[in-house]
Amino acid sequence: DAGVIQSPRHEVTEMGQEVTLRCKPISGHNSLFWYRQTMMRGLELLIYFNNNVPIDDSGMPEDRFSAKMPNASFSTLKIQPSEPRDSAVYFCASSNREKSYEQYFGPGTRLTVT
Amino acid sequence: ELKVEQNPLFLSMQEGKNYTIYCNYSTTSDRLYWYRQDPGKSLESLFVLLSNGAVKQEGRLMASLDTKARLSTLHITAAVHDLSATYFCAVDSLYETGANNLFFGTGTRLTVIP
Repeated sequence: DAGVIQSPRHEVTEMGQEVTLRCKPISGHNSLFWYRQTMMRGLELLIYFNNNVPIDDSGMPEDRFSAKMPNASFSTLKIQPSEPRDSAVYFCASSNREKSYEQYFGPGTRLTVT
Repeated sequence: ELKVEQNPLFLSMQEGKNYTIYCNYSTTSDRLYWYRQDPGKSLESLFVLLSNGAVKQEGRLMASLDTKARLSTLHITAAVHDLSATYFCAVDSLYETGANNLFFGTGTRLTVIP
């Protein structure tokens, strides 16, 4: 089975540009999580969805960040406008909460904003 | 607020030695998760502990859970260089909040020295 798929794997952009990160969860999983990881702040939960519905977005840093999950197999995290302090690795994870709360992580997107 | 604390944060150990990483958490939970992250890579699930007294072993790693003490341990036996990585523990807050997201510790960066 394919794991969680994220794209792009690397993104370099200039400050002020819009960035869109994409995630495809594991088929059959009904929960999806977006995390950000930096050396300074560690692993932070940004937002998560259950059955495509956002449940908790309290970790989203600012209005510049938005996330959507239009269907069970796709989610996006958008940053507009991007800033250098957004540089981080963004992970998407999914789980099947009827079976276990164990989360399966994607490979991550390394974002660099110059 | 739910807190998950790991110690030590950094661990440097010689090959062949034994050591234990500790994970303390503040919520009522009988489920705990251990993850491994290699440098520049994603998080990989190691163990899922689903009840008080649960013990799981994989190779040189053994994880245990004491829900009454709100403590999990990850024991390393006869360390080898391949175990060098960052190890995270995580708990869910189902009993307190009904939510299925995980709360991660800060991680323990393990370096095994030849």
